Amino acid sequence: AQSVTQLDSQVPVFEEAPVELRCNYSSSVSVYLFWYVQYPNQGLQLLLKYLSGSTLVKSINGFEAEFNKSQTSFHLRKPSVHISDTAEYFCAVSAVAAGNKLTFGGGTRVLVKP
Amino acid sequence: DTAVSQTPKYLVTQMGNDKSIKCEQNLGHDTMYWYKQDSKKFLKIMFSYNNKELIINETVPNRFSPKSPDKAHLNLHINSLELGDSAVYFCASSQALTGMNYGYTFGSGTRLTVV
Repeated sequence: AQSVTQLDSQVPVFEEAPVELRCNYSSSVSVYLFWYVQYPNQGLQLLLKYLSGSTLVKSINGFEAEFNKSQTSFHLRKPSVHISDTAEYFCAVSAVAAGNKLTFGGGTRVLVKP
Repeated sequence: DTAVSQTPKYLVTQMGNDKSIKCEQNLGHDTMYWYKQDSKKFLKIMFSYNNKELIINETVPNRFSPKSPDKAHLNLHINSLELGDSAVYFCASSQALTGMNYGYTFGSGTRLTVV
């Protein structure tokens, strides 16, 4: 079985400051890794994913995440946040051996302050 | 064109009632899911269907019954609603049951409030 731990439940950050959201996973088989974002009162949107290849993956809106197999981590970073980045961020993992069932972490709420 | 659409968006009902939530996807995906998000934002999978066949059935009370008339639709029927059923229910779809998983596409959710 897979599990995901998001170490911070809430991260307050000032506008234009950098932010890092930590994600660690546990799995006995190879996994795919995802970050989803949920804006207030909305559904989940895929932010970025690691499937294979380069361990650094980037989104179109400035977020990036790095897959670290030895540390079983997939931390999300953004060098300069905007007010509009205020949202809940979910790390998730799936494994082919588990029918690609998507298992989520508990979420990290990012609150960007002016 | 909404890729994964759920109806209704909001549902307020009394304890003991029976209600249904509908989901449709127009992405051509062959696998659909129901997730429950509780008040603390925790997301947990409930069911998964692949080409109308139930493949994931997590520990969910049998008052919850999914039904997939075809691979583009997955409905959720809930009998004898309880206060603890209050949550946001998300439908999702994906192409990969086996092989590479490119991610799920989620609907906008149904906020169920049981009073």
